[in-house]
Amino acid sequence: KQEVTQIPAALSVPEGENLVLNCSFTDSAIYNLQWFRQDPGKGLTSLLLIQSSQREQTSGRLNASLDKSSGRSTLYIAASQPGDSATYLCAVKGSARQLTFGSGTQLTVLP
Amino acid sequence: GAGVSQTPSNKVTEKGKYVELRCDPISGHTALYWYRQSLGQGPEFLIYFQGTGAADDSGLPNDRFFAVRPEGSVSTLKIQRTERGDSAVYLCASSSQGASSDTQYFGPGTRLTVL
Repeated sequence: KQEVTQIPAALSVPEGENLVLNCSFTDSAIYNLQWFRQDPGKGLTSLLLIQSSQREQTSGRLNASLDKSSGRSTLYIAASQPGDSATYLCAVKGSARQLTFGSGTQLTVLP
Repeated sequence: GAGVSQTPSNKVTEKGKYVELRCDPISGHTALYWYRQSLGQGPEFLIYFQGTGAADDSGLPNDRFFAVRPEGSVSTLKIQRTERGDSAVYLCASSSQGASSDTQYFGPGTRLTVL
């Protein structure tokens, strides 16, 4: 059974810092990996999707990498802003169509 | 265009009651998913529809939970004899065809509280 772990569970940084969020998964037979953002009381917003054949994806200040063989992904956020404060969730899709999520990293960017 | 919508946004019920949660997927999306998110946890898969049929219901926790999608669009998640442990945010997502490469788009969720 696929298990997804996110470290750290919570992170607080001053504005302007670059930061890295980590995600690991136990079964490397995945189709893709997706990073989501969740604001309090809201649904999930997809940030980046990396197909299993890809190594990384970039969108603005966000860069996500995937090392499928080692079961790891990182989300890099450059020049963090208070508006980046949210919970970031990592999810993998295996042979079944559903996503398996980690528990998330709660990020606070202090002004 | 319109995203995934869910109603109600909040539902408070008493233990033992029956509830229905509704999901309107993005127009034209054939795949629809239900997830449940408990406080401080990531969403957990409940059931996946491809068209009108439940392609995978392996995540439903017990037979009190049931979901339908009779016309291949709107879906309803039904919970009988609710228990306090059913309290959670129920999220719905849809994707274009359910292919492995498809992105899933999530609704805002329904927060269910069982007293």
